[in-house]
Amino acid sequence: DIQMTQSPSSLSASVGDRVTITCRASQSISSYLNWYQQKPGKAPKLLIYAASSLQSGVPSRFSGSGSGTDFTLTISSLQPEDFATYYCQQSYSTPVTFGPGTKVDIK
Amino acid sequence: EVQLVESGGGLVQPGGSLRLSCSASGFTFSSYAMHWVRQAPGKGLEYVSAISSNGGSTYYADSVKGRFTISRDNSKNTLYLQMSSLRAEDTAVYYCVKDLGSSARFDYWGQGTLVTVSS
Repeated sequence: DIQMTQSPSSLSASVGDRVTITCRASQSISSYLNWYQQKPGKAPKLLIYAASSLQSGVPSRFSGSGSGTDFTLTISSLQPEDFATYYCQQSYSTPVTFGPGTKVDIK
Repeated sequence: EVQLVESGGGLVQPGGSLRLSCSASGFTFSSYAMHWVRQAPGKGLEYVSAISSNGGSTYYADSVKGRFTISRDNSKNTLYLQMSSLRAEDTAVYYCVKDLGSSARFDYWGQGTLVTVSS
């Protein structure tokens, strides 16, 4: 199975900050990397697919980059509604696997 | 509007069985692969099972293989997960998830149904 890691595991930031979350795969997954946002008590929401494609309806302050084993999710200007946990997920091979999550909270 | 509504969760004793259902609407159900993903309380996301659009192909995580069965009824726009020989470690919120195509990219999620395995 492909193992996914994320860093940091948590971070504190202020509204307006630029936030970057890193995801690393244990082997090359090309661009088969997706990002999800989950708020407490809610289902995850797809933000980015294929490493850098913005899902319909997702604000443009979210962006993704990377290929191979190293990927990043960037929030260009953190908004109050962005405080949540973010998960990466590889869809390169079965079983699909998720990263452990990065919790973004208020500084 | 795409909607996925899970039902069937609840409290069950270890060794027991439960069937989850997911009623889908707002899209052509028979055209998309579907999945189950679970999340134990306070933990991350774990992939459980998948089924192709016509039901001809299925996948199970090792942790549930031989105990869970995924199925679908395209005439009823409904996805199922039959769970048996339940263990305490199966306690989780179970999400019904729609595939973006057949690519294991999850574009819509249900609200989840809680399964608690405890005596």
